[in-house]
Amino acid sequence: AQSVAQPEDQVNVAEGNPLTVKCTYSVSGNPYLFWYVQYPNRGLQFLLKYITGDNLVKGSYGFEAEFNKSQTSFHLKKPSALVSDSALYFCAVTLWGGSYIPTFGRGTSLIVHP
Amino acid sequence: DVKVTQSSRYLVKRTGEKVFLECVQDMDHENMFWYRQDPGLGLRLIYFSYDVKMKEKGDIPEGYSVSREKKERFSLILESASTNQTSMYLCASSLSGQGSDSPLHFGNGTRLTVT
Repeated sequence: AQSVAQPEDQVNVAEGNPLTVKCTYSVSGNPYLFWYVQYPNRGLQFLLKYITGDNLVKGSYGFEAEFNKSQTSFHLKKPSALVSDSALYFCAVTLWGGSYIPTFGRGTSLIVHP
Repeated sequence: DVKVTQSSRYLVKRTGEKVFLECVQDMDHENMFWYRQDPGLGLRLIYFSYDVKMKEKGDIPEGYSVSREKKERFSLILESASTNQTSMYLCASSLSGQGSDSPLHFGNGTRLTVT
């Protein structure tokens, strides 16, 4: 069985500071990893994904994520947070050659203070 | 850009009513999904479909059914709405050709209140 953990329900950061939203995963095999963002009263939007290759993945809106196989982590990062980044962030995992149905984490609320 | 359209943003229904939630995608995606989202519980998969007329139960199918008569349309049906089905409902679609690395594309959600 595969699982995703987002250990923080909420992350607070000041505008202009770097941000990190944490994600760890558990799969029996090689993972595909995804980040999605959800703004208030909207659906989820795809941000970025890791398939293979470079461990640092760049995505939309200046976000990037670092895949760490030994720590089974896929943390989302941004060098300088904006107030408009405030949203709910979801990490998700699927398995190489496995089901196309992702397993989602429970989400982390990011609040960027002016 | 892929567009997934859910027919209603907000719905208010009475207990016992039959409720239809409609979802249409415009990118010829094979896979379609219905999730519900509740605070503290994240996303829970209700049903999914990998082809026309094909459907599979997700994690919480009880009280729900689905219909996929055309590739672009996936409907969620609450046979007899109950107050515990008050929730945000999210529809999503994805390509199957790329296998399990294909991201999901979501609609904006339908917030259903059952009174």
